[in-house]
Amino acid sequence: DQQVKQNSPSLSVQEGRISILNCDYTNSMFDYFLWYKKYPAEGPTFLISISSIKDKNEDGRFTVFLNKSAKHLSLHIVPSQPGDSAVYFCAASGYNNAGNMLTFGGGTRLMVKP
Amino acid sequence: DAGVIQSPRHEVTEMGQEVTLRCKPISGHNSLFWYRQTMMRGLELLIYFNNNVPIDDSGMPEDRFSAKMPNASFSTLKIQPSEPRDSAVYFCASSFDRASYEQYFGPGTRLTVT
Repeated sequence: DQQVKQNSPSLSVQEGRISILNCDYTNSMFDYFLWYKKYPAEGPTFLISISSIKDKNEDGRFTVFLNKSAKHLSLHIVPSQPGDSAVYFCAASGYNNAGNMLTFGGGTRLMVKP
Repeated sequence: DAGVIQSPRHEVTEMGQEVTLRCKPISGHNSLFWYRQTMMRGLELLIYFNNNVPIDDSGMPEDRFSAKMPNASFSTLKIQPSEPRDSAVYFCASSFDRASYEQYFGPGTRLTVT
């Protein structure tokens, strides 16, 4: 059972426009959410995160929105740039006695066209 | 800061052979994670160490897989004997401690078992 889902395997956007990547989760115990970006032949790199006590976090061109009631988060990139073309993973964590393990979604491949 | 270091970057081996993947976490990080990425299952956690002690190995697929962390700066993931279905990209990640959410990933080892 996938606790974190990214239902869009790919997304194509024109340069300068907004990219919106979506993520849904099922486990109500998750209290922290992260977005990672991955280029080919590299490991995922941390992009932005949000705690469950917030509904929005912004960092430059990147904004993450969290809707707890819908168990949904989204990543907005505006304006999109060709260098943003990558696979984006959302991840969720709920602290337990074992610590902060992350559960990842399947990823969305973003292609930003010049 | 060298980041998380993994070796080898690519490994091609024949079915039945032993494979050992290596990881050096970021200095000062106390938590270490091994992940496997496949097309079918996405990015899945295999095992998690904190202060060199395995905390959760519920993601280890079967007894053919084993992981060790003999000291704070080195970990291995061993597959013996290897099978074609083990072909995947294996990532190592580290975080500052068990309370930290952000994980820093290495570049991965692409394993091909023929």
